[in-house]
Amino acid sequence: QVQLVESGGGVVQPGGSLRLSCVASGFTFSNYGMLWVRQAPGKGLEWVTIIWYDGSRKYYVDSVEGRFTISRDDSKNSLYLQMNSLRAEDTAIYYCARAFCGSGGTCSSYYFAMDFWGQGTAVTVSS
Amino acid sequence: QAVVTQEPSLTVSPGGTVTLTCGSSTGAVSSGHYPYWFQQKPGQAPRTLIYDTNNRHSWTPARFSGSLLGGKAALTLSGAQAEDEAAYFCLLSYIGARPVFGGGTKLTVL
Repeated sequence: QVQLVESGGGVVQPGGSLRLSCVASGFTFSNYGMLWVRQAPGKGLEWVTIIWYDGSRKYYVDSVEGRFTISRDDSKNSLYLQMNSLRAEDTAIYYCARAFCGSGGTCSSYYFAMDFWGQGTAVTVSS
Repeated sequence: QAVVTQEPSLTVSPGGTVTLTCGSSTGAVSSGHYPYWFQQKPGQAPRTLIYDTNNRHSWTPARFSGSLLGGKAALTLSGAQAEDEAAYFCLLSYIGARPVFGGGTKLTVL
C-alpha cells in the first residue's frame, strides 16, 4: 500500500530554516510527481510546490517563491522541502502528497492534484 | 488569482442527503476546471474522494458522488453516516494559472 511519511518539522525563529523530508513506499516513486500542501492552524489547504516525476519542472505558490526549494532523491524514495527565510505565516502542517492528474494521467502547468497524502509534519515559526 | 467558494458549514441528518458546492469567482465551473473533492476528518490528513468532476477513487464510498450543478461543482452525499462528519475541500484548475483550493465546508451529521 502507498505510504508517505513526513519528518523534519519543528519550531523555528522568523528568518530561520528547516528541511522537511518525505519517504515514500508502496509505489514506484520515480514514476510520480510529488507535492507539498500546507494547512495553517484552523484554515484550509494550500498547495505549496510540485516537482515533476523526472524533476524537469517545479512550480511554487507565489508566497514561497525564492524562499522554498523542492527536490527529490529517487534512489532514496524521498522528497524534500528546503524552507529558508521563514515567516510567521509559514506556520502550518505540511503534507507530502503524490501527484495525480486524472484519468488521462497527464499533468500540466495548470492541472495537477493529488491522490495519496502523508500524515503531515508541523512547522511553527515563532520567536 | 481566482477565489473558490464553498459553504462554510452544513448540517445533514443521519441517513439524509446533502449537496456541497464549489464555485469560482471567474464564472461558471465546468469540467475544464477538473474539480476534485477531498475529505478531512479532525486530526487527520486529507483524503481524495472525487476527481475530474465525478470520478470516484477505489476507496471512495458509493454514497459520495460528484457533478456540476447550477454553474458550480457539487459533491452529493446520499445516506449520510456519522463517520462522514468532516471538512470537505474542493480544488479547481485554471488554464494559465495554478490550481486553487476552496475554503472548505464543515459538515455536521446530526
